[in-house]
Amino acid sequence: EAQVTQNPRYLITVTGKKLTVTCSQNMNHEYMSWYRQDPGLGLRQIYYSMNVEVTDKGDVPEGYKVSRKEKRNFPLILESPSPNQTSLYFCASSPRGGFGKNIQYFGAGTRLSVL
Amino acid sequence: EDQVTQSPEALRLQEGESSSLNCSYTVSGLRGLFWYRQDPGKGPEFLFTLYSAGEEKEKERLKATLTKKESFLHITAPKPEDSATYLCAVQGNTDKLIFGTGTRLQVFP
Repeated sequence: EAQVTQNPRYLITVTGKKLTVTCSQNMNHEYMSWYRQDPGLGLRQIYYSMNVEVTDKGDVPEGYKVSRKEKRNFPLILESPSPNQTSLYFCASSPRGGFGKNIQYFGAGTRLSVL
Repeated sequence: EDQVTQSPEALRLQEGESSSLNCSYTVSGLRGLFWYRQDPGKGPEFLFTLYSAGEEKEKERLKATLTKKESFLHITAPKPEDSATYLCAVQGNTDKLIFGTGTRLQVFP
């Protein structure tokens, strides 16, 4: 089954404790992206990657890191989480980026709480 | 600045009561307008892409239309299973998708 898989689905952590949220897709997509979703603000892009070893900042990259060493994986790293990073996170992938026809397929989400 | 505004924020319909959701946008060089459905606790699920003014697409009880300034998602004779949040997004000259905050639709029997 074609899908985008995120882990973990739920995570409670404390301020300053480094964490990684994994994202994997099995559709051989070139484009991958991370979003956060907050009430009243909608989905906002954190980082995206056009292909392996190519990443770029989205609208809200502060406090986050990403890497794209393999085509299928795009982990999101919070080096020192803070309470304002409490949110619902989504990973998405697309066959291609930079064009109008890039339908993005989303994972099920990771709900993160930073205490 | 690219921007998407959806209205209403929430909509309650009785089963069978048709209505429309609005997505107003400003974007530099529209490359695509996307509609997604999001169920509670799940990721957005793709519904439609529209590329140019005048274009329409249909899927079951849903029909999406596009003008140069806005898109409508028409829901005909909705059923309770159509209850969800509907998200609109646009892609302009950048690689990004700009999302609206969504319309939360509730259809009750």
